[in-house]
Amino acid sequence: GAGVSQSPRYKVAKRGQDVALRCDPISGHVSLFWYQQALGQGPEFLTYFQNEAQLDKSGLPSDRFFAERPEGSVSTLKIQRTQQEDSAVYLCASSLGIGGEAFFGQGTRLTVV
Amino acid sequence: GENVEQHPSTLSVQEGDSAVIKCTYSDSASNYFPWYKQELGKGPQLIIDIRSNVGEKKDQRIAVTLNKTAKHFSLHITETQPEDSAVYFCAAAPYGGATNKLIFGTGTLLAVQP
Repeated sequence: GAGVSQSPRYKVAKRGQDVALRCDPISGHVSLFWYQQALGQGPEFLTYFQNEAQLDKSGLPSDRFFAERPEGSVSTLKIQRTQQEDSAVYLCASSLGIGGEAFFGQGTRLTVV
Repeated sequence: GENVEQHPSTLSVQEGDSAVIKCTYSDSASNYFPWYKQELGKGPQLIIDIRSNVGEKKDQRIAVTLNKTAKHFSLHITETQPEDSAVYFCAAAPYGGATNKLIFGTGTLLAVQP
């Protein structure tokens, strides 16, 4: 596609539910990133993939957060047993290579009630 | 790890005036400094970036300066227009090192008054 696509755009989950957020990066982009953006704050790094390899997951806040990119293209961020503090916009970004310009998707706004 | 501070948090200017946003970073290994513009309900969009072997870069009304010794970089927007109103984020990354992630500042809400 023309840009990074994320789905769904909006997700409301009841506390304790599991959610899965999808990211379709720009075709051919090797690097893929997930960021979390709380209201009024800058994006905070969650995890990074180079092709299918998850090279950095230092930003994942707890073991309830899990990300995968099994074929080196589409990625899914899964949050288990959601809590209210998980409410945020989850942004996905991709870049052609290492150190290249990162293109962001529009994000998924997760609200946990 | 890297820490990026950004000032001011809000900035209001008259149309046609210039706007300057400043950022400082802590990790001397950082070598890539992008600026992103984020409009309401959208993802961040890259507007300009600079690498640490360059001191200044300009693209039409937008310029970025980098002082690696002092560890600070700035965004300059000249002849501001109402469509420049948005939240602007600076970021820093130590590309080529052990990690490939961007560390963002806290953002500046720019309002251009017509």
